Amino acid sequence: QKEVEQNSGPLSVPEGAIASLNCTYSDRGSQSFFWYRQYSGKSPELIMFIYSNGDKEDGRFTAQLNKASQYVSLLIRDSQPSDSATYLCAVNIGHQAGTALIFGKGTTLSVSS
Amino acid sequence: ETGVTQSPTHLIKTRGQQVTLRCSSQSGHNTVSWYQQALGQGPQFIFQYYREEENGRGNFPPRFSGLQFPNYSSELNVNALELDDSALYLCASSPLAGGDEQYFGPGTRLTVT
Repeated sequence: QKEVEQNSGPLSVPEGAIASLNCTYSDRGSQSFFWYRQYSGKSPELIMFIYSNGDKEDGRFTAQLNKASQYVSLLIRDSQPSDSATYLCAVNIGHQAGTALIFGKGTTLSVSS
Repeated sequence: ETGVTQSPTHLIKTRGQQVTLRCSSQSGHNTVSWYQQALGQGPQFIFQYYREEENGRGNFPPRFSGLQFPNYSSELNVNALELDDSALYLCASSPLAGGDEQYFGPGTRLTVT
């Protein structure tokens, strides 16, 4: 059973702080890793993807990937109340790119002003 | 907004009935995936369509079936509805058969009573 694990939270941070969201996955063959943001009652929105070990930065967001440890993280700098949402980690399983995304259950982030 | 549209937005059905959900993919995207998201869970992969053929399927029974049309739009059909089928049904499109990034539509909220 290929799995993606996330702490459900809630993760609470004050406005302006760094929020750190973590994810582990079980399939060593996974090649692609994604972070989605989902506001309550809405559909998931793709905010970051990463394919190679190391860091990838996009504005206030940084995705970090360590394939040896099977670990993906998302850092949100200068957190804003509008960042309050559920963050879903997703992994493209196996070697058939595009076949399926396996999602974690999500981590709920609450940013207080 | 991703350009992926779904209809209807909400639907209420009775156990045992059949339902058809529709999705139009983003312009330039030829691959459509369907996911089921129960409350408090991450999306679960149902199946994917590429060039009108099923291109991968998750752990869902045969009463979940689909179609893709030449214009890349897609349908999800569910027969013999069960109470546990109540969920948010998400359609996601991606630009290539091997393309990893998937962009979600707004979803259809199905309630089975």
